[in-house]
Amino acid sequence: DTGVSQDPRHKITKRGQNVTFRCDPISEHNRLYWYRQTLGQGPEFLTYFQNEAQLEKSRLLSDRFSAERPKGSFSTLEIQRTEQGDSAMYLCASSPGTGGYEQYFGPGTRLTVT
Amino acid sequence: GENVEQHPSTLSVQEGDSAVIKCTYSDSASNYFPWYKQELGKRPQLIIDIRSNVGEKKDQRIAVTLNKTAKHFSLHITETQPEDSAVYFCAASLYNDYKLSFGAGTTVTVRA
Repeated sequence: DTGVSQDPRHKITKRGQNVTFRCDPISEHNRLYWYRQTLGQGPEFLTYFQNEAQLEKSRLLSDRFSAERPKGSFSTLEIQRTEQGDSAMYLCASSPGTGGYEQYFGPGTRLTVT
Repeated sequence: GENVEQHPSTLSVQEGDSAVIKCTYSDSASNYFPWYKQELGKRPQLIIDIRSNVGEKKDQRIAVTLNKTAKHFSLHITETQPEDSAVYFCAASLYNDYKLSFGAGTTVTVRA
């Protein structure tokens, strides 16, 4: 499968714990995006990378959230001290970057905070 | 920031009929408008997109129209089939600012 992949697909954690999600974009896509989707809503933008540079962060991304893309390939999203309000589907997408606007989504990581 | 509104929130059509979903956007600088289809438990799938220099685009049974003056765009699905049942999201993006702002989604049900 040469599409965007995410790991894990599901994560259940207790409030206050830290969690980390991984996204592997489509090969040679230099833009990578993180979105969050709650039930019955469209995805909401969190942050995005051009290669290894994080270009923008949404106000939704509190200081408990951090994202990295160390070598311009895969990316990780970490949530520290999780809260019940963090429960959502975390989606990753990638796009070619220059000359290509199309964003292709991964299957998402469903986070449940108990 | 960009605000995208989508209507209706639910749509039920008879198989073979057409379905139309409408979206409006707030930022006149937006220039890229994709549509995604999301089946239950699956990833959003890009089905069609349009850029602001084009008024209409068609791909088999689906088409999108864009009215820049009124700041709205629509998805048209003709000859609907049961496999068209899903949630459809519209989105908008600013030129050189590639983050997508999504509508709240339309749940389409095609009755056999």
